[in-house]
Amino acid sequence: DTGVSQNPRHKITKRGQNVTFRCDPISEHNRLYWYRQTLGQGPEFLTYFQNEAQLEKSRLLSDRFSAERPKGSFSTLEIQRTEQGDSAMYLCASSLGGTRGPQETQYFGPGTRLLVL
Amino acid sequence: GQQVMQIPQYQHVQEGEDFTTYCNSSTTLSNIQWYKQRPGGHPVFLIQLVKSGEVKKQKRLTFQFGEAKKNSSLHITATQTTDVGTYFCLRGSTLGRLYFGRGTQLTVWP
Repeated sequence: DTGVSQNPRHKITKRGQNVTFRCDPISEHNRLYWYRQTLGQGPEFLTYFQNEAQLEKSRLLSDRFSAERPKGSFSTLEIQRTEQGDSAMYLCASSLGGTRGPQETQYFGPGTRLLVL
Repeated sequence: GQQVMQIPQYQHVQEGEDFTTYCNSSTTLSNIQWYKQRPGGHPVFLIQLVKSGEVKKQKRLTFQFGEAKKNSSLHITATQTTDVGTYFCLRGSTLGRLYFGRGTQLTVWP
């Protein structure tokens, strides 16, 4: 399968624990995005990378959240000291970004559903 | 701000009826994309609109971009049960952030 993959697909954790999610984008895609989606809402932008550089972070991304893309390929999203309000679907998307112009098509992974008890 | 307002939030139709969802922005959009998310699934790209007044069709789906590039619509003619899902519009910003609308959840009764 050459699409975007995410692991794990589901995660249940206790409040206060740390969790880490992984996203493997489509191999030739240079841009990688993280979103959070709660029930009945559209995906909320969290952050995005162009290659290994993290170019934008939403203010939704508190200091408990950190994302990395060390080699410009896969990315990890870590949430420290999880809270019940962190329960959501965490979606990753990748795209092939070029010059400034119309935004490119994003290809989404299946998401990681997090439940914080 | 840079959000997009999407209406309606929910739409229930009988199979064969038409369906329309609208996205509105207070600022001019450089472009807009539409995605569909099936229940339990992830968003899947449908189309991108770039030009003022642009109209694109995909079988029973018609996408429009307003003349002022501040609004867009997705219209489905003669809905089928396979059209069930949530339809989102997506706008970008010069900073690279992307903003999804809240989505319109479509239910189609057979």
